Amino acid sequence: AQTVTQSQPEMSVQEAETVTLSCTYDTSENNYYLFWYKQPPSRQMILVIRQEAYKQQNATENRFSVNFQKAAKSFSLKISDSQLGDTAMYFCAFMKPANFGNEKLTFGTGTRLTIIP
Amino acid sequence: GAVVSQHPSWVICKSGTSVKIECRSLDFQATTMFWYRQFPKQSLMLMATSNEGSKATYEQGVEKDKFLINHASLTLSTLTVTSAHPEDSSFYICSARDLTVSYNEQFFGPGTRLTVL
Repeated sequence: AQTVTQSQPEMSVQEAETVTLSCTYDTSENNYYLFWYKQPPSRQMILVIRQEAYKQQNATENRFSVNFQKAAKSFSLKISDSQLGDTAMYFCAFMKPANFGNEKLTFGTGTRLTIIP
Repeated sequence: GAVVSQHPSWVICKSGTSVKIECRSLDFQATTMFWYRQFPKQSLMLMATSNEGSKATYEQGVEKDKFLINHASLTLSTLTVTSAHPEDSSFYICSARDLTVSYNEQFFGPGTRLTVL
């Protein structure tokens, strides 16, 4: 079974600064997907960024980027120029490919990020 | 983007009663939907995978007679919590998979807060 570990329960950073959230995972699979989800106070899960394991290039989405180290099984999220709206719980998630859309997501325990004005 | 709705957004019921939660994909067909449970300040735990026209697949430790799942159409899955007890109080989230999208994303509903008195 896959496990996802987020070792930082809480983090805070000043507005406009850069912050990095850590995530490690354990799997014997070679092909898989990794995600970062954001859950603001509204509780709506929002996809922040995704990474396919077969791609060596790190994914980026505007102010969000990842550092994917496949050998180390590490998948950290960097938020640049942090904004107040980035305040949320952030979950790292692992997905193993499966047939017919039955891929399951395994979530980490989350990191509560607070952006300080 | 793909939109998933849940109804109701919150519900309060008495111990021993049954509660039905609906999950709908509004602008796409979802052959697969997933049901998660989230306790306060905790991560999402997958309860079951729901496939249209077939029986749901439950995760280990989830009572299938307690949490009845019906996926009768390509846009609707329902979760019924039968004979609810206070320990069933939680935040229930569904997600749906759009198979026309190739990048394995699950689209999440806004969640349903269940409180059992």
